[in-house]
Amino acid sequence: ETGVTQTPRHLVMGMTNKKSLKCEQHLGHNAMYWYKQSAKKPLELMFVYNFKEQTENNSVPSRFSPECPNSSHLFLHLHTLQPEDSALYLCASSTRLAGLNTGELFFGEGSRLTVL
Amino acid sequence: DAKTTQPNSMESNEEEPVHLPCNHSTISGTDYIHWYRQLPSQGPEYVIHGLTSNVNNRMASLAIAEDRKSSTLILHRATLRDAAVYYCIPYSGGGADGLTFGKGTHLIIQP
Repeated sequence: ETGVTQTPRHLVMGMTNKKSLKCEQHLGHNAMYWYKQSAKKPLELMFVYNFKEQTENNSVPSRFSPECPNSSHLFLHLHTLQPEDSALYLCASSTRLAGLNTGELFFGEGSRLTVL
Repeated sequence: DAKTTQPNSMESNEEEPVHLPCNHSTISGTDYIHWYRQLPSQGPEYVIHGLTSNVNNRMASLAIAEDRKSSTLILHRATLRDAAVYYCIPYSGGGADGLTFGKGTHLIIQP
C-alpha cells in the first residue's frame, strides 16, 4: 500500500464509450502524474499537475482529458479511444518544495485498460 | 534529460549480493541519481537516490562513481521478492516535468 489508490483496477471499453480513471492520494502531496505503460515499452509520462495546475502535457491526444479538482484527486477522462490505447495507466504523486520536485514519486497499482 | 545505459537483464542467485550498473555519462551537476523498481503487475516504487556520496537505506545501497558518470545499485542479499525491473533515473527536480523512465534492467533471481 503506497497511499495512492487507483480505480478501477481493470476496465474494458469499446471505442465509442466514455469512461474515467480515478486516482486518489492521502499523502499530502501537491504534485500528481499520469503515466502510460504499454506492453514491452517504457513508462511514458502523459500529464503533470502541480498544485492543481497542469504543467506538462506530453503531446497526448485529446481523446485523453485529465482533470485535477484538488491536490488529492486526479482523473483521466477517456473518450473515442483506439485499441492501441490499451495499456496500464499509472498515477503517481510527489511533493514539490520551493519549486523543486523531491523526485520521490509514489505510484498506484495502475488501471489496466483494454479497448475493444 | 541525461541518457542512461543499463543492461537489459541480469540474473542472480537468491541470498547473494547483486550489483546493478548504470551509465549516465551526460548527467548534469544538479541531477540526483534516482533508482526505482517495478515488481510484476505493480507500479514502480522508489528505492534510493543520491548526488555524490554513497547512500544506504533499508532496501539497498547506492555507489556513485567519483566522476558521477556511473552508479551501481547494490542489493546486499537478494530474495525472490527482489525480482523486478530496476530503473536508473538522473533527475534534478527542477522544471515542471516528472521522471523519465527508460527500459531498465530486468533482474531475475534464481532460487
